[in-house]
Amino acid sequence: DQQVKQNSPSLSVQEGRISILNCDYTNSMFDYFLWYKKYPAEGPTFLISISSIKDKNEDGRFTVFLNKSAKHLSLHIVPSQPGDSAVYFCAASRGSGGSNYKLTFGKGTLLTVNP
Amino acid sequence: NAGVTQTPKFRVLKTGQSMTLLCAQDMNHEYMYWYRQDPGMGLRLIHYSVGEGTTAKGEVPDGYNVSRLKKQNFLLGLESAAPSQTSVYFCASTIGGFRFFGPGTRLTVL
Repeated sequence: DQQVKQNSPSLSVQEGRISILNCDYTNSMFDYFLWYKKYPAEGPTFLISISSIKDKNEDGRFTVFLNKSAKHLSLHIVPSQPGDSAVYFCAASRGSGGSNYKLTFGKGTLLTVNP
Repeated sequence: NAGVTQTPKFRVLKTGQSMTLLCAQDMNHEYMYWYRQDPGMGLRLIHYSVGEGTTAKGEVPDGYNVSRLKKQNFLLGLESAAPSQTSVYFCASTIGGFRFFGPGTRLTVL
């Protein structure tokens, strides 16, 4: 049973436009959500996170929106740049502290930003 | 500060062979993890450790063993490799809720 779903395996956008990556979850106990970015031949790197007490978190060009009632979150990248081309993983956990060993990942979405 | 490092970067094994993957972190993190990434599967947790001398099973532990004799090192062992263990393996360590991942080890089992 896949508890974190990224239904779009890939997304292609033009440089300068907005990229919107989506993620759905089924476990209502999840209360902390993260996005990781992964380049080929590298490990994933943390991008941005959001707690369930918020509905939006912004960091520069990256904004994550959380809709708890729909169990849906999205990552917006504005404006998109070619260097943003990577695989983006959505992840969810119960709690954000050091004991949240159980981080559930989605399958990832490959974003391609065309110059 | 090297972060999380993994050795080796690539390895090819024959079915039945054994090997150990080494993960090292220099950030004094308590928690360490081993994940595997397969095409279309995302990252799945194999084993994890909440401190020196402790280990626990994750989602897909079968066929793997781990040891955490020193806080900075987390070893992943395959006693008898199988083609189903062909994958990219990532080690990670955590402080708070943030995982820092290593660059990965690409393992092929023929």
